[in-house]
Amino acid sequence: EADIYQTPRYLVIGTGKKITLECSQTMGHDKMYWYQQDPGMELHLIHYSYGVNSTEKGDLSSESTVSRIRTEHFPLTLESARPSHTSQYLCASSESDKLYGYTFGSGTRLTVV
Amino acid sequence: KNQVEQSPQSLIILEGKNCTLQCNYTVSPFSNLRWYKQDTGRGPVSLTIMTFSENTKSNGRYTATLDADTKQSSLHITASQLSDSASYICVVSDRGSTLGRLYFGRGTQLTVWP
Repeated sequence: EADIYQTPRYLVIGTGKKITLECSQTMGHDKMYWYQQDPGMELHLIHYSYGVNSTEKGDLSSESTVSRIRTEHFPLTLESARPSHTSQYLCASSESDKLYGYTFGSGTRLTVV
Repeated sequence: KNQVEQSPQSLIILEGKNCTLQCNYTVSPFSNLRWYKQDTGRGPVSLTIMTFSENTKSNGRYTATLDADTKQSSLHITASQLSDSASYICVVSDRGSTLGRLYFGRGTQLTVWP
C-alpha cells in the first residue's frame, strides 16, 4: 500500500490556467522529488527537496515551482499552463542515507488544451 | 555522460513463458541498481535493489542479476502472467552524491498475451 499520495490523478485544463499538483507522504521522509515522464521516455528530475524550506531545481528545466513548508507536503505549481506542459508528473520520497524506501506516487496525468 | 540503456524496447510473450530483459549502464561511480515495474498510468514500484557486491536478487518470479565489471544487469521473469504486462525500468544510482542521484532507463514494455 502506497504511503505517498498524489492528487489529482488526471487533470485536463485550459491554456493559461494556474494549477497545483499535490503530493503528500506519511512516511516522514526528508527527501522528496518531482519527476516528469513522457510516454515511452525515461523519468526526468525537475525538482527536489532535502527538507523543510529546501528546494532545488533538477536536471530538466521546468517552468513549474515547488514549495516545502511541511515535511509531508511537496506541491508543484504551474502559474500559466501551456500545451507543452502536457505530461505525467510523478512525486517520490526517500529517507536520507537509506538504500531502500525510495517510493513513488501514482502520478498525475496532466493535459493542457 | 552517465547513461542507462535497456533492451529490447518492447517485448510480447505468451502467458506462462519466461523472458529476460537487459540493462547496460555507464554510470560511474556505481552505488546500486534497481528494477522497477510501472503499470500504465501508475508510478514505478520497486522489484529489486542490488549493490556492488550483489550478483543476484530475487523477488518471487522476478530474478535480477548484476555484473558490475561489465556494467550489465538482467531481469528474468519466470512463468509470466497477464499481470506482468507493464514497463520495466532499470535505474542506476551513483555513489558520492548526497542526493543519491538516480539515472533512469527508458524501460522495456512487456506485453503478456493469453
